[in-house]
Amino acid sequence: DTAVSQTPKYLVTQMGNDKSIKCEQNLGHDTMYWYKQDSKKFLKIMFSYNNKELIINETVPNRFSPKSPDKAHLNLHINSLELGDSAVYFCASNLRGTDYNEQFFGPGTRLTVL
Amino acid sequence: GEDVEQSLFLSVREGDSSVINCTYTDSSSTYLYWYKQEPGAGLQLLTYIFSNMDMKQDQRLTVLLNKKDKHLSLRIADTQTGDSAIYFCAENLAGANNLFFGTGTRLTVIP
Repeated sequence: DTAVSQTPKYLVTQMGNDKSIKCEQNLGHDTMYWYKQDSKKFLKIMFSYNNKELIINETVPNRFSPKSPDKAHLNLHINSLELGDSAVYFCASNLRGTDYNEQFFGPGTRLTVL
Repeated sequence: GEDVEQSLFLSVREGDSSVINCTYTDSSSTYLYWYKQEPGAGLQLLTYIFSNMDMKQDQRLTVLLNKKDKHLSLRIADTQTGDSAIYFCAENLAGANNLFFGTGTRLTVIP
């Protein structure tokens, strides 16, 4: 299948644990993103990354770190999970400079911290 | 770019038109978008408009942009039950790649 995929779809874990969410795109895009959607459905950018440049939303705690082994992957690692980290995390990707800059989204990972 | 506002809820009867409104604050946006999120799913781009356009029509969808008032709207003609979803407007600021999303409008279509 083509598109942006994320694993796992659901993640339930205890406070204080460290976890990773994986994202892969096979669209040949050069830029990937992580967004957080809270319980009220508000969506906010966390990171954008294109191999050369990582742009971090300054409101994101440094417990969150993106890791990119190659252009097709951008994983999200979270240390010392807190209750407030419970949310749906969406990965997205696009190709910089293309017409209208459409971003393609993954299906989301629902993280629940107990 | 972070204060993009929408009404949270809208209910319409099947067959009627739906109008979803969005107010954004950053006049440097180059593109404005409407994304649809169905329950339990990711976001899908529905349509977009370039900032120098006033209107764009795409089948049942009409996008209106009023740059002076920083107001964007999405009209869905002949709304169907399959249109029930959350609709997000988003802006793409000049020089930036990421999107700033509105608060989302949950559209419920009543059969």
